[in-house]
Amino acid sequence: EAAVTQSPRSKVAVTGGKVTLSCHQTNNHDYMYWYRQDTGHGLRLIHYSYVADSTEKGDIPDGYKASRPSQENFSLILELASLSQTAVYFCASSDGLGGSSAETLYFGSGTRLTVL
Amino acid sequence: QQQVRQSSQSLTVWEGETAILNCSYENSAFDYFPWYQQFPGEGPALLIAIRSVSDKKEDGRFTIFFNKREKNLSLHIKDSQPGDSATYFCAASWGSSGNKLIFGIGTLLSVKP
Repeated sequence: EAAVTQSPRSKVAVTGGKVTLSCHQTNNHDYMYWYRQDTGHGLRLIHYSYVADSTEKGDIPDGYKASRPSQENFSLILELASLSQTAVYFCASSDGLGGSSAETLYFGSGTRLTVL
Repeated sequence: QQQVRQSSQSLTVWEGETAILNCSYENSAFDYFPWYQQFPGEGPALLIAIRSVSDKKEDGRFTIFFNKREKNLSLHIKDSQPGDSATYFCAASWGSSGNKLIFGIGTLLSVKP
């Protein structure tokens, strides 16, 4: 059973519109992440969080906001969607408490976002 | 500036051959190097990982060779199978990075039967 669930699986949005991508994890992990995947760029970190009600900027945060209302849920918000934000978005979780398994990221299946 | 570089975006091998995927990095502080495997339509999943104190890590048909002095590593897939066809991401992090992984662009491996 999938431990990191993303919704929706795909979405078409209009330029300038607001988009919210949702992520839910049942791993009981403290860390959650949002990555975007583009051909030629691999996976790039947008935002992450290590505790509820707190988020941190990743490597490419511009144009994105994040929200962590609970340990299980982490949302990515595009207030004004743009064409350049067309990509596949992945949510992930990790334990982060130390030890050999702490750094392992568990990814969801992704959300394919197309901005027209 | 790419902190983690994968030299090939695609690689094709025949079934039974050893596939070699290369990766290099710039930041000497990196001390943890996982490889993630991604099948189409799925999220990446951890395949195998190595720490900078080791020069080799083996798990079944998968082996990482690590060269700290040259700042490069490679993933060897022995006896490649068509089911190994996937995208492989090299990644890196360092102790105080808060579990933030830096990923390479990925190598698409195709294993032909």
